Amino acid sequence: NAGVTQTPKFQVLKTGQSMTLQCAQDMNHNSMYWYRQDPGMGLRLIYYSASEGTTDKGEVPNGYNVSRLNKREFSLRLESAAPSQTSVYFCASSGTGESPLHFGNGTRLTVT
Amino acid sequence: GQQLNQSPQSMFIQEGEDVSMNCTSSSIFNTWLWYKQDPGEGPVLLIALYKAGELTSNGRLTAQFGITRKDSFLNISASIPSDVGIYFCAGLGAGGTSYGKLTFGQGTILTVHP
Repeated sequence: NAGVTQTPKFQVLKTGQSMTLQCAQDMNHNSMYWYRQDPGMGLRLIYYSASEGTTDKGEVPNGYNVSRLNKREFSLRLESAAPSQTSVYFCASSGTGESPLHFGNGTRLTVT
Repeated sequence: GQQLNQSPQSMFIQEGEDVSMNCTSSSIFNTWLWYKQDPGEGPVLLIALYKAGELTSNGRLTAQFGITRKDSFLNISASIPSDVGIYFCAGLGAGGTSYGKLTFGQGTILTVHP
């Protein structure tokens, strides 16, 4: 089973460039999430989508936008990348808001 | 927002030793989750706890949901080299909608020496 699939696995951007991180899940989950992971800070929620057609801000949404394209796919866009956005980005999904999250393997982003 | 304090931050142990780590919070949680993250991969769910006082085992892993609903611990018995990784606790907030209210601890980095 694929579970949660993220692309790309690695990306290097220059300051000011834009890019979209893709995420797809095949578990028929309703909810999807984007987290960033930085050393010593655990996982912090950027945006989430409780169900298809809805998105909401998390703890650290500034500099990001999201699109819930359909039930399977949830993308994260950086319009103008900054060095502070260098991080590992994880997409996750869950059946409901009370269900445990299932994570993808991450996208390692470096902004120079 | 809600904060989780996870300790210890790192552990260096010999193969065969038992390991204990815990998370505490000033807030009440409805659910406690423990995840493990291997290098280069995403976190994987180890144990989920849904009731105060609940004690759950998964092989060599045992976790408990504290009676006060403000803490949880994870024990690993007879550690082996593949236990190496980062362990995260996570709590799901009480009250209202739960979406987006999963709070993560800072992680415990476990190193096991053969």
